[in-house]
Amino acid sequence: GAVVSQHPSWVICKSGTSVKIECRSLDFQATTMFWYRQFPKQSLMLMATSNEGSKATYEQGVEKDKFLINHASLTLSTLTVTSAHPEDSSFYICSALPTGQGWTEAFFGQGTRLTVV
Amino acid sequence: DAKTTQPPSMDCAEGRAANLPCNHSTISGNEYVYWYRQIHSQGPQYIIHGLKNNETNEMASLIITEDRKSSTLILPHATLRDTAVYYCIVRGKAAGNKLTFGGGTRVLVKP
Repeated sequence: GAVVSQHPSWVICKSGTSVKIECRSLDFQATTMFWYRQFPKQSLMLMATSNEGSKATYEQGVEKDKFLINHASLTLSTLTVTSAHPEDSSFYICSALPTGQGWTEAFFGQGTRLTVV
Repeated sequence: DAKTTQPPSMDCAEGRAANLPCNHSTISGNEYVYWYRQIHSQGPQYIIHGLKNNETNEMASLIITEDRKSSTLILPHATLRDTAVYYCIVRGKAAGNKLTFGGGTRVLVKP
């Protein structure tokens, strides 16, 4: 199946700094990518929909100025957590929807575990 | 998108079939049923999806009732590596193809 790669797999950063997470579709193009956040023992929560060449669409309650999304190409979307705080520590997961296939499954990255100290 | 209801957890014996139920009584005519699973600390993995006909692939079978208000995911011969959280998701085009995850079923396969 199609492969989605996230980088880094885990990161530890100091409070107040910014962290960038990359999501790449390795063998397909993705006009649309999605970013999720997952806290321990909870389900995935959709944060935003990332569209290549346009602004991301954020879910209600997600601060767009804090979670910056850039989808500059058909194979790369990035999520930047700005001025990170300990409460931003979570498992961040991206998924990518192959372009031009109509109804199809989305493929998920392996996730990035962010710890803010 | 229609909401789904799944049991929070279930155990099954290694080598036996695992039957995972899902209720989606408010599903509309153009919404598909998708199943994903998430093994601990990994991203979700696609399993199968269907509209109204039963579907089978190398991982599992999906049985959708005639009224489409419920479905069952069948893992024919569960292995220890099938231990995971299984998510049943109903998705329609109106949602822009995004997947909304509910609580899922935590499946523990026991030897």
